[in-house]
Amino acid sequence: GQQVMQIPQYQHVQEGEDFTTYCNSSTTLSNIQWYKQRPGGHPVFLIQLVKSGEVKKQKRLTFQFGEAKKNSSLHITATQTTDVGTYFCAVLNNAGNMLTFGGGTRLMVKP
Amino acid sequence: EAQVTQNPRYLITVTGKKLTVTCSQNMNHEYMSWYRQDPGLGLRQIYYSMNVEVTDKGDVPEGYKVSRKEKRNFPLILESPSPNQTSLYFCASSHGGLGEKLFFGSGTQLSVL
Repeated sequence: GQQVMQIPQYQHVQEGEDFTTYCNSSTTLSNIQWYKQRPGGHPVFLIQLVKSGEVKKQKRLTFQFGEAKKNSSLHITATQTTDVGTYFCAVLNNAGNMLTFGGGTRLMVKP
Repeated sequence: EAQVTQNPRYLITVTGKKLTVTCSQNMNHEYMSWYRQDPGLGLRQIYYSMNVEVTDKGDVPEGYKVSRKEKRNFPLILESPSPNQTSLYFCASSHGGLGEKLFFGSGTQLSVL
């Protein structure tokens, strides 16, 4: 399947600090999806990015798709304890039949 | 309520004893898929199905079987489980393929002794 690298693997932050996770691919992506998985839970869809340079916001979360469509980022402003979990990016292969997930970034927030 | 239902939630078994993990969705989704999640490896696709009677291998299909006889059900079968299949399994579905968002079940934690 399509290879996508996600960094960092773990991130500890103090509540109120910002957080960013990155996904990088060596090939051009058709789109990218982001999911959040709370501890003990299942992945939940957050957003899909399709266009080059696209930026989307959901409250304190900002999602970006790179101009070359080879990378993406998720930025959380002023983290809260409710943001704890693992954030995954997922990319579609060229045939459109497989969604490959990044390794995830586990976010821990100290109150 | 729209959902993907997996059963059982937890399963402990022994090597070689056949087992089935059930998955059912009530959203009339065409696409269904199985993933396994292991620490540090993210989610890896086992099998997927684009529609009834259409299934195909994902990245890690060895040791697994699936069937899609009805649109709503997509069971995962381990004919002869081995300890390296100890993992957290998720079923997922989407409407019309992977351009749409995936809905995940609650997961099945499987331990093979």
